[in-house]
Amino acid sequence: AQTVTQSQPEMSVQEAETVTLSCTYDTSENNYYLFWYKQPPSRQMILVIRQEAYKQQNATENRFSVNFQKAAKSFSLKISDSQLGDTAMYFCAFMKRDFGNEKLTFGTGTRLTIIP
Amino acid sequence: ETGVTQSPTHLIKTRGQQVTLRCSSQSGHNTVSWYQQALGQGPQFIFQYYREEENGRGNFPPRFSGLQFPNYSSELNVNALELDDSALYLCASSARDTEAFFGQGTRLTVV
Repeated sequence: AQTVTQSQPEMSVQEAETVTLSCTYDTSENNYYLFWYKQPPSRQMILVIRQEAYKQQNATENRFSVNFQKAAKSFSLKISDSQLGDTAMYFCAFMKRDFGNEKLTFGTGTRLTIIP
Repeated sequence: ETGVTQSPTHLIKTRGQQVTLRCSSQSGHNTVSWYQQALGQGPQFIFQYYREEENGRGNFPPRFSGLQFPNYSSELNVNALELDDSALYLCASSARDTEAFFGQGTRLTVV
C-alpha cells in the first residue's frame, strides 16, 4: 500500500514571495504519477501540477514547479511570486499507473495562506 | 470548471437513513471515482467504476455502494447512515492515462 505524508499542516507567506510545500511518499511501485492538487474554499479539487515517475525532468507550470527526488521519495511544490488567489489547501497525491484501476492516495494537506 | 457536476451540493440526513449522491462525468471520460473527505483530512478512496463495473474499492463497508450508467454518470449510495459518514463526498472522472477531474463535492451532514 502507498502512503503520502505532508508534514506541514499550515504555512503562510507574504504576497510575491516564494514558498515550498513538502511531500514524501512510500511505495514499492516503479511506474506511477505524483500530483499536487489545490482545494480553495469553494471545495473543488483543482490539479496544479503532475509528474510522471519515469521522467527525470521536474515538471513546471507557470509559477508552480516541483522538485522530484525519486530515490528519496520526495515531491515538493514550489510556488513563485505567490498571489492572494493561491490561498488554499494543497494536497499531494500518488497514483499507481495501472490502466483502468487508477486511484489517488492523498496526503493530509497543507493549508497555505498568502498574506497581503 | 472541470465539466464534472455533483448533486446535491449540501444534504442533511438523520442517522439510519439512506442517501444517494449523483455525479455527471466529463465528456469523453469512462472512469468515475468517489472519495470521502472528512473535515481537515485528505480525501479517501471509496471505489471506482470503469465502463459500468466496479473496478477497485477502498476500505469502506458494503453499505457504501455505487452504480455507473451507460452515459458514464454515477451514483454513490450509503445505507444505514452513521454520524461518522458526515463528510464532503467528491466525485472524479478520468479517461485512460489522464489525470482525474473533480466535481465541487456534496457536503453530507448526518444528525
